Amino acid sequence: AQSVTQLGSHVSVSEGALVLLRCNYSSSVPPYLFWYVQYPNQGLQLLLKYTTGATLVKGINGFEAEFKKSETSFHLTKPSAHMSDAAEYFCAVSEDRDDKINFGKGTRLHILP
Amino acid sequence: NAGVTQTPKFQVLKTGQSMTLQCAQDMNHNSMYWYRQDPGMGLRLIYYSASEGTTDKGEVPNGYNVSRLNKREFSLRLESAAPSQTSVYFCASSSSTSGGSTDTQYFGPGTRLTVL
Repeated sequence: AQSVTQLGSHVSVSEGALVLLRCNYSSSVPPYLFWYVQYPNQGLQLLLKYTTGATLVKGINGFEAEFKKSETSFHLTKPSAHMSDAAEYFCAVSEDRDDKINFGKGTRLHILP
Repeated sequence: NAGVTQTPKFQVLKTGQSMTLQCAQDMNHNSMYWYRQDPGMGLRLIYYSASEGTTDKGEVPNGYNVSRLNKREFSLRLESAAPSQTSVYFCASSSSTSGGSTDTQYFGPGTRLTVL
């Protein structure tokens, strides 16, 4: 069964610094990959997704992620962190468009002033 | 558009009590989902419904029942609450006709449930 591993349950970066949240997946077939964000006391919101085609995916709020099959990775990046980026981020995977999503355990991003 | 709404926002139950969590969406979506979120566990799917009148089990269905009342509403019932069901519950919906993943899921604000 497909799964994702998010490296680091908490990540802290300074405002203006690069944000890098790591996600590795396990899948027996080419996966569909997702990043969701959860702001405090809210539900999840889709940041971006990879299904097919271009391996560099751009999402909302300046985030992007690159699908690297050779590394089984889908890391999330943003060039310059803002205080408003403080949230919990979930990587997720599915193996088929009709399959359910499996979420990772989440990474809480802290932005230091 | 209100999107996905959930009631109540908070609830405290005693062990053995029953309750129903309500969810409604106004986006004319086909598929609806119930998840639970526990610290360090991410989100786990409890049940989903790909269309009115159909429901299917997810990863952690034990102790729960669901009803897809109509296209808009999908309720989650705890018949006899247990402390292990203390969690935050999220409802979501998508335009998928199969309950599948590639159509964006839209989440409600959640219900925080404590079972004593």
